[in-house]
This record gives sequence, structure tokens and C-alpha cells, in this order.
Amino acid sequence: EAGVVQSPRYKIIEKKQPVAFWCNPISGHNTLYWYRQNLGQGPELLIRYENEEAVDDSQLPKDRFSAERLKGVDSTLKIQPAELGDSAVYLCASSWDWGAGYTEAFFGQGTRLTVV
Amino acid sequence: AQRVTQPEKLLSVFKGAPVELKCNYSYSGSPELFWYVQYSRQRLQLLLRHISRESIKGFTADLNKGETSFHLKKPFAQEEDSAMYYCALSGGGTSYGKLTFGQGTILTVHP
Repeated sequence: EAGVVQSPRYKIIEKKQPVAFWCNPISGHNTLYWYRQNLGQGPELLIRYENEEAVDDSQLPKDRFSAERLKGVDSTLKIQPAELGDSAVYLCASSWDWGAGYTEAFFGQGTRLTVV
Repeated sequence: AQRVTQPEKLLSVFKGAPVELKCNYSYSGSPELFWYVQYSRQRLQLLLRHISRESIKGFTADLNKGETSFHLKKPFAQEEDSAMYYCALSGGGTSYGKLTFGQGTILTVHP
């Protein structure tokens, strides 16, 4: 079991350029999360999916960030255009949610984005 | 709103010494509390959750609702415990499924 797979692991782009991150969750997990982790901080939730539906995107900066989870499996997070302040580690996590409450989230290795 | 505070960014102890990583939370309902750990070059992973009442790798954590705390403790620290530790909270209602993390504490266990 490979666990949650994210790509790329590292990305360096110039400001104002677009960037996309990809996440493949653990097979069978219906809930998928995208977190952003700034240097020296804990992860902050950007968006949470249950299957293909975004059930919590209140923290997603919608002017430049977008996400999709087609067919309720893989997910893509996009930033367009990127700003210097977007430099961070972007984490994807997945869990199996049977509706009884929070279950363990399994995290990917993350994508480290540097905007120059 | 839900909030998690870890007052110590860095914590250093010697091998065999007791260790306590502090966590305080703010939440109006009944939260679920967790400790996540990230070892060097590894991904973030769950260490323990309060409803399980388990001892994982010698660590325990007790939820104190009166003090709104969920401190992580281990009586005898080991070098392999050196890692980044995050306290996290999941609430109910509109916060259902939203995991809020503290800023983390870097634990270093010296030989």
C-alpha cells in the first residue's frame, strides 16, 4: 500500500505563474482533504471533499485557488496566479468516513511550493 | 471557532527523563482531540486519539475538559521520540470533519 500519493514533491515557480498539485488518496477512502502548512506552523485546512462534493471550502482563497475531485478519487489543487505568500507545503490527506464522526486521516508526503 | 494552542515550540529532554508536551484547546462543544507526529523525513501520522484511551509507544494523553487541555506524556523519553508533535482538534456541527492543528512542538531527546 503506497498510502496517499502526491506529486510533485517540490515545485519552484515565478510569481504570477500557475501551478497545480495532484493527490491520489488511499483506495476506498471517500474523504479527501487539502491542507496548507506554512513554515513553523501547523497544517491549515483549505478544502474537504466527501466523494466528489466539496463540503467545506470556507478556508480556500477562491480568487486564486481552485480544486476538483472528479469521480470522487484523485484530486487536483490549482493556484493561478501564484503569489510569494503562497510558498508553503501543501498536504493531501484521506480518510474513510462512515458518518459516525472523525476518523484517522492519512497524509501524503506533501508538495513543497516555492514562489520566487 | 475552534483553536489549538501548543505553547512550546521547542522541548529538549535527556533520554530516560519524563516528557510532557502541552496542548490547550478552545471549542464550545465536545471535541475529539488527537496527537499527530512527524518524524524526520516522514509524513504526518496519527499517534493517538483521546477516545481510544490507548498508550502508543509509551505515550498517553488525558483530556481535561475543565482545563481544556490534552497534554501528551511519556514517563521515560527515548531518542527515537525526537520528532515534531502536533495537537489537533475535530469538532462537530459545521466543524464536523475539520481537523484544526496547533503550531507544533519540536521534541529533541538527547542521549
